[in-house]
Amino acid sequence: NAGVTQTPKFQVLKTGQSMTLQCAQDMNHEYMSWYRQDPGMGLRLIHYSVGAGITDQGEVPNGYNVSRSTTEDFPLRLLSAAPSQTSVYFCASSYDFGGNTGYTFGSGTRLTVV
Amino acid sequence: AQKITQTQPGMFVQEKEAVTLDCTYDTSDQSYGLFWYKQPSSGEMIFLIYQGSYDEQNATEGRYSLNFQKARKSANLVISASQLGDSAMYFCAMSRYNQGGKLIFGQGTELSVKP
Repeated sequence: NAGVTQTPKFQVLKTGQSMTLQCAQDMNHEYMSWYRQDPGMGLRLIHYSVGAGITDQGEVPNGYNVSRSTTEDFPLRLLSAAPSQTSVYFCASSYDFGGNTGYTFGSGTRLTVV
Repeated sequence: AQKITQTQPGMFVQEKEAVTLDCTYDTSDQSYGLFWYKQPSSGEMIFLIYQGSYDEQNATEGRYSLNFQKARKSANLVISASQLGDSAMYFCAMSRYNQGGKLIFGQGTELSVKP
């Protein structure tokens, strides 16, 4: 049981490049979400999904796209990377709103945009 | 809108002593859950404890307990008998019952345990 798997772990992009951060979970969780973590600001919600085919915006969605074609996968796309998107990105999944088991997080992707 | 506030950017505690990390929240909902996560220097997010808004008793998990005061909208984390391995960032978060996937975090508190 791998839990939540994020790839890559590290990435350096040039301004204007595009890329996709991958997130996969094997726990059959309906709910998945993406967060970014910046110093002094905690984790901020980018986008989330309540099931295959259903996504919604979080607190900081600008510059990011998501789609959810399967229960297992929830990729995050940066269409044109900007230095302001330098951050650590976490993907998380949960069975329902969290409850007694909480949300399960991936190990994170450290992205640097130069 | 929901908001989580952690007013202690950094805390120090002596090994073997207890420490309380503060968390206040703002929501107009009646049905919600409150969570605490630990993030050590290695970076992973570790789920510690959960409290539901309708739970009458404070949640406990080993050395962790959640001091839930609903009327004051506070959900403080108490760590008893601190250990050196407790040194980490601690985040308070909340989620509405009908909004799975949407977890809102506070800014975090960095706890340092002194030997």
